[in-house]
Amino acid sequence: GAVVSQHPSWVICKSGTSVKIECRSLDFQATTMFWYRQFPKQSLMLMATSNEGSKATYEQGVEKDKFLINHASLTLSTLTVTSAHPEDSSFYICSAPKRRGETQYFGPGTRLLVL
Amino acid sequence: AQTVTQSQPEMSVQEAETVTLSCTYDTSESDYYLFWYKQPPSRQMILVIRQEAYKQQNATENRFSVNFQKAAKSFSLKISDSQLGDAAMYFCAYTPGANNLFFGTGTRLTVIP
Repeated sequence: GAVVSQHPSWVICKSGTSVKIECRSLDFQATTMFWYRQFPKQSLMLMATSNEGSKATYEQGVEKDKFLINHASLTLSTLTVTSAHPEDSSFYICSAPKRRGETQYFGPGTRLLVL
Repeated sequence: AQTVTQSQPEMSVQEAETVTLSCTYDTSESDYYLFWYKQPPSRQMILVIRQEAYKQQNATENRFSVNFQKAAKSFSLKISDSQLGDAAMYFCAYTPGANNLFFGTGTRLTVIP
């Protein structure tokens, strides 16, 4: 199956700093990638759709100035949490489909802890 | 609005027995896809099974099968011959085809040895 990687897998940062999370499709090109957020013992919530070569599409209630998304190439999308606060602490997961309607391939996730 | 509902927050099954996890969804689309994903303690999302809405035949993958009732908007997962490794969170998910997934709240499955 296809492989999606995320980096870092775990990050601790101080309140007010920015954190960048990378999502890479290792063996296929992804024009679209998705970013999810998962709180403990809860489901995945779609944050935004990352589109290669164009602006990301954010879900209702997600601050686009807070969560900056850049889809720099067909294999890389980045999520930057700007001016992080403790309430931003969560598990962030990216995914990418190979083709429309096909299963999405998920990265292993990034645990963010903001102190 | 597109919503996915899993009414069973927790389920348990005896090893080697069969268990069924429920899922209903709401959509006005005619063409869409449904999935069951498994999330073990590692939190890596793993595809269990996929169903295309235009196909009447229920999808099967080894010990995993679905009961897809399009008119009722129901998509249940049956796990046969349950194994200890099946213990995990199971999420039902829907996409209208643009690939953005909408997830249910999940069902935690415990397998009793």
